[in-house]
Amino acid sequence: SAVISQKPSRDICQRGTSLTIQCQVDSQVTMMFWYRQQPGQSLTLIATANQGSEATYESGFVIDKFPISRPNLTFSTLTVSNMSPEDSSIYLCSVERGVYGYTFGSGTRLTVV
Amino acid sequence: AQKVTQAQTEISVVEKEDVTLDCVYETRDTTYYLFWYKQPPSGELVFLIRRNSFDEQNEISGRYSWNFQKSTSSFNFTITASQVVDSAVYFCALIAGANSKLTFGKGITLSVRP
Repeated sequence: SAVISQKPSRDICQRGTSLTIQCQVDSQVTMMFWYRQQPGQSLTLIATANQGSEATYESGFVIDKFPISRPNLTFSTLTVSNMSPEDSSIYLCSVERGVYGYTFGSGTRLTVV
Repeated sequence: AQKVTQAQTEISVVEKEDVTLDCVYETRDTTYYLFWYKQPPSGELVFLIRRNSFDEQNEISGRYSWNFQKSTSSFNFTITASQVVDSAVYFCALIAGANSKLTFGKGITLSVRP
């Protein structure tokens, strides 16, 4: 299955600042997915990122808050903008790998203080 | 719309006990895929199994086994002879029809005590 390198693995940020999370996949993929997992909760899809087009955001998530870049078929970034303590979560990227299901990055554990 | 229900929230067992994690799903599509993922305390999501809607064969992988029953819309996961390393949050998930988005259940926290 695909290997996804996600960084940073964790960060503590001041409110009002922004953090950019990177995901690098070891092979080309059409779609990349970004998820948020709030403390003690399940995973919620933020957006789907296709190379060469605007990301598609799920209800409750907006581009101004979570801008996404997808410059090529192996890389994507998610920025969490103007952070507040409510943004403290684990953020994960994911790609589909056929019979191996959906592979996830190791996650970014974000704490906003 | 798709939905995954994991009614159990927390389970605690003693090492070597067998434990079954329940998963009930809802979808109107006839073609769908079901998944189980393990999330250890470190936070990463580990893929365990993918099963499509046309394959009702049960699966066994070492101490893990899965029971897929379309009649009850369930895809239950059993760990035999549990070990402390099995302690994690386990998620059941669903993709249905042309939708490529995973729908996750709320997860089950499994604690295996020595």
